[in-house]
Parts: sequence; structure tokens; C-alpha cells
Amino acid sequence: AQTVTQSQPEMSVQEAETVTLSCTYDTSENNYYLFWYKQPPSRQMILVIRQEAYKQQNATENRFSVNFQKAAKSFSLKISDSQLGDTAMYFCAFMKHELQGAQKLVFGQGTRLTINP
Amino acid sequence: SAVISQKPSRDICQRGTSLTIQCQVDSQVTMMFWYRQQPGQSLTLIATANQGSEATYESGFVIDKFPISRPNLTFSTLTVSNMSPEDSSIYLCSVVGGREYQETQYFGPGTRLLVL
Repeated sequence: AQTVTQSQPEMSVQEAETVTLSCTYDTSENNYYLFWYKQPPSRQMILVIRQEAYKQQNATENRFSVNFQKAAKSFSLKISDSQLGDTAMYFCAFMKHELQGAQKLVFGQGTRLTINP
Repeated sequence: SAVISQKPSRDICQRGTSLTIQCQVDSQVTMMFWYRQQPGQSLTLIATANQGSEATYESGFVIDKFPISRPNLTFSTLTVSNMSPEDSSIYLCSVVGGREYQETQYFGPGTRLLVL
């Protein structure tokens, strides 16, 4: 079974700073996907970024980028130029690849990120 | 990505009663899932809603407690039966994305349930 660990329950930074959220996972699978979702106080789960395990290049989406280290089973999220609207719970999630399509997401426990003005 | 809605957005229910949650998508999707998020916790998959057949349940979840329907490719329901205070959670449906990202799940806004 796969497990996802987020070792930082809470983090707090000043607006415009850069922050990195950690995520490690355990799996025996070779083909899989990794995701970061954010959940603001509205409770809506919003996809931030995705990474395919077979791709060596780290995914980026505007101010969000990941550092994917497959051998170390590490998948950290970097938020640059942080904004007040980035305040949210951030969940790291794992999904194994199957030919028949999407499978269940296995989530970490989350990191509560607060951006201070 | 698809637009996903859930009804109700929140509810307060008495123990022993049942509540049916609806998930509606504005386009046909191949796969739909139901997750539970207990207070202060992460998300856990309840079941995969299969179109035209019985749902596939995860360990610890049973059909009698969480019956699921999926009559077509845009709609699914989750019923929480014989509720107890331990069922107080946020229930979220997710769907697999469009042609570009077949493996990515997008979530509905969730249904916040409080059982007294």
C-alpha cells in the first residue's frame, strides 16, 4: 500500500517570500502520478500542480513549482512570491498508474500554510 | 476542467436518519469518486462510482452504509445511511478531467454534514 507523509503540520511566512512544503511517499510502483492540492477556508479542493513519475523535468505552474526526486521518493512544492490568497491547507497526493484509467488518490495529512501581510 | 456541483452544500441531521448527496457534472466524465474528510483530517476514498454497475468500495466502507448510484455519465449520488455523530464530515465527489489530463481528479465543492 502507498503512503504519503507531510512532515510540516503548519507553516507561516510573510507575503512575497518563498516557501517550500515537503512531501515524501512510499511505493513499490514505478509508474504513478503526484499532485498538490490546496484547500482554502472555502473547503474547495483545488489542483495546484501535477507530476508524472516518468518525467524527469519538474513541473511548474506560474509561481508554483515542484522538486521531484524519484529515487528519494520526495515531492516538495515551492511557492514563489507568496500571496495572501495562498493561505490554505495543502495536500500532497499519490495515484498509481493503471491502464484502465484514474485510480484513487492517497493523500498526506496536509500542511496548513499561512501567508502574513 | 469540468464544472462540478454538489447538493446540499451543508446539512444538519439527526442520528438514525439518512442523507443523499448529489454530484452533478456539466460534461460527461469517465470516472467519479466519493471521498470523506473527517474534521481536521485528510481525505479518504469511500468508493468509485461506476456507471451502470455497482460501486467499488474501499476497505472499511460498505454498501449498506454508503449506497451509491451513478445512472449516467454526469450524475452520481451518495447516501449516508443510519447516521451517527461519527459520520459528521465533509463529503466530496471528484471526477476525472478532460482529454488532456485523463488521470487528474477535480473536486466538487463538498457537502458539510453535521450529525447530532
